[in-house]
Amino acid sequence: GAGVSQTPSNKVTEKGKYVELRCDPISGHTALYWYRQSLGQGPEFLIYFQGTGAADDSGLPNDRFFAVRPEGSVSTLKIQRTERGDSAVYLCASSLTPRNEQFFGPGTRLTVL
Amino acid sequence: DQQVKQNSPSLSVQEGRISILNCDYTNSMFDYFLWYKKYPAEGPTFLISISSIKDKNEDGRFTVFLNKSAKHLSLHIVPSQPGDSAVYFCAASGDNTNAGKSTFGDGTTLTVKP
Repeated sequence: GAGVSQTPSNKVTEKGKYVELRCDPISGHTALYWYRQSLGQGPEFLIYFQGTGAADDSGLPNDRFFAVRPEGSVSTLKIQRTERGDSAVYLCASSLTPRNEQFFGPGTRLTVL
Repeated sequence: DQQVKQNSPSLSVQEGRISILNCDYTNSMFDYFLWYKKYPAEGPTFLISISSIKDKNEDGRFTVFLNKSAKHLSLHIVPSQPGDSAVYFCAASGDNTNAGKSTFGDGTTLTVKP
């Protein structure tokens, strides 16, 4: 079956703009995660959803970052007033339940000029 | 404060030999540990996991060892193959109240030479 997909694969934007990153999880996976990965570092947890609700959003760096999963499937990570420091690869993952291994998408590379 | 540390940024081994990747953690609430492998331009893929009730888990060429008293785990790959060359991440998660939040180390780049 299809794996986790993320769109766009690359996004270049200007400082101050708004961006949306999309994640399509594996069908039937109730848990969905967002991570941010900078060069030379491991994935940094941002938020995870159990169904439609955000079960833990403690990793969101500030209120410019917001994520939704309105129907318990597709999720969108939204970043307002982007800053150069937001440049990174944004990874999405899904799992059957929160205690199972996570299946990652290929990521969206965000570049803020 | 990095709760999961992989102190070796890189490791090079000869094909056929054993690769040992190490990981240390500081949070005693972590009770589930996973290893992921990542190729360039791809997302991490799950390799193997271990629960804190065990001290060893084996899957083919991959074995993970957990030493809870030392807060240390290691991944053994034997025999190593050139296709194993990738970045390996150690990840840890806590009890059921934080089951979905995984904390990752910064990775170790493994190079297996033919």
